[in-house]
Amino acid sequence: KNQVEQSPQSLIILEGKNCTLQCNYTVSPFSNLRWYKQDTGRGPVSLTIMTFSENTKSNGRYTATLDADTKQSSLHITASQLSDSASYICVVSGNSGNTPLVFGKGTRLSVIA
Amino acid sequence: EPEVTQTPSHQVTQMGQEVILRCVPISNHLYFYWYRQILGQKVEFLVSFYNNEISEKSEIFDDQFSVERPDGSNFTLKIRSTKLEDSAMYFCASIEGGGAPNEQFFGPGTRLTVL
Repeated sequence: KNQVEQSPQSLIILEGKNCTLQCNYTVSPFSNLRWYKQDTGRGPVSLTIMTFSENTKSNGRYTATLDADTKQSSLHITASQLSDSASYICVVSGNSGNTPLVFGKGTRLSVIA
Repeated sequence: EPEVTQTPSHQVTQMGQEVILRCVPISNHLYFYWYRQILGQKVEFLVSFYNNEISEKSEIFDDQFSVERPDGSNFTLKIRSTKLEDSAMYFCASIEGGGAPNEQFFGPGTRLTVL
């Protein structure tokens, strides 16, 4: 069964610190992996998209890595800010690459002062 | 910056009633999607729509659901006879083209509460 598992479920860090979120997937065939940021009560916003041939991709303070062999990805957030508090969702696409998207449950990140 | 919009932001309905959720995708986008997110759970794919027809749908998207693009701008999700378990956030999304991978732009969602 196609699944995306994320860890940790939740994380609390101090402002200015770095953190890394993990994602493991069993989606097959694999086309691409995406990380989204979702503020409470809002729609997900895309951070990165990586195909199987990409190992790393950055978007400002966000850096995603992908190991297609081990089916693992990580999202590293550098110098966290209070506004980074949100759920971070790992999403994997098989087939055509755009659907169906298989979502993880997300990691709830809280950045505190 | 162009964005996907959804109305209403919150819909409350009685069990058994029909609801229509509305979305206006980004104007030059060609592929449209509906997702739902039950409170505290993950986002789930419902249906994708291209060229005025459904291209893919999930097991969740049963006969109670239908989608329509009645004009050049709106994309709607209809639930014919709502059930308590239909209570969720419903997100619309769109992408520009079919070549993968494409960034999906999500709307702010409609919170549906079925009483």
